[in-house]
Amino acid sequence: LAKTTQPISMDSYEGQEVNITCSHNNIATNDYITWYQQFPSQGPRFIIQGYKTKVTNEVASLFIPADRKSSTLSLPRVSLSDTAVYYCLVGPDTGRRALTFGSGTRLQVQP
Amino acid sequence: GAVVSQHPSWVICKSGTSVKIECRSLDFQATTMFWYRQFPKQSLMLMATSNEGSKATYEQGVEKDKFLINHASLTLSTLTVTSAHPEDSSFYICSAREGLRREGRDTQYFGPGTRLTVL
Repeated sequence: LAKTTQPISMDSYEGQEVNITCSHNNIATNDYITWYQQFPSQGPRFIIQGYKTKVTNEVASLFIPADRKSSTLSLPRVSLSDTAVYYCLVGPDTGRRALTFGSGTRLQVQP
Repeated sequence: GAVVSQHPSWVICKSGTSVKIECRSLDFQATTMFWYRQFPKQSLMLMATSNEGSKATYEQGVEKDKFLINHASLTLSTLTVTSAHPEDSSFYICSAREGLRREGRDTQYFGPGTRLTVL
């Protein structure tokens, strides 16, 4: 699986838009980009997945440039409840393989 | 949506005892289940891959005789930590793969985790 690099931590305030960028320079042609969210003492939760361009759902948006060597998770108008660790994963679109989690980005939202 | 449960959610045991953790897929059949371990402030580390009806595949460095995994049915996998020691204290998380594509993707669903504390 492609190695990913994310900022270790980020701080934000309620109501702001948060953008977390992930670098994945050796992404393969058949790799998808998936983001998970994890609250303390809970299992990870799927947020969004994309292959190229832009994907949006009710929770977040995912921006992927043409070269796919990076991606940006965008959380609009964060609230205190968005304080969590966010993981960027890159790999084939199949649940058959185990997921390889990097260090993740610890987002702290303050009032 | 697909739900995965774990039992117990937390357990405290004495050193030398064995602890069993259950992982269940509640509304789907899981062809594959994965077990992860997470230490405080660290990321998830894969321990083993479990396929229904066959032996689990362990990651390098994970003792298969210490962490016994059984996947006897399509909805249940168990992880037994044998002769637990304080260094085994961790957060154990399972995930399950349904094998079907929902919303255009084949994904894994994670359980809520089990906090193991060995005294």
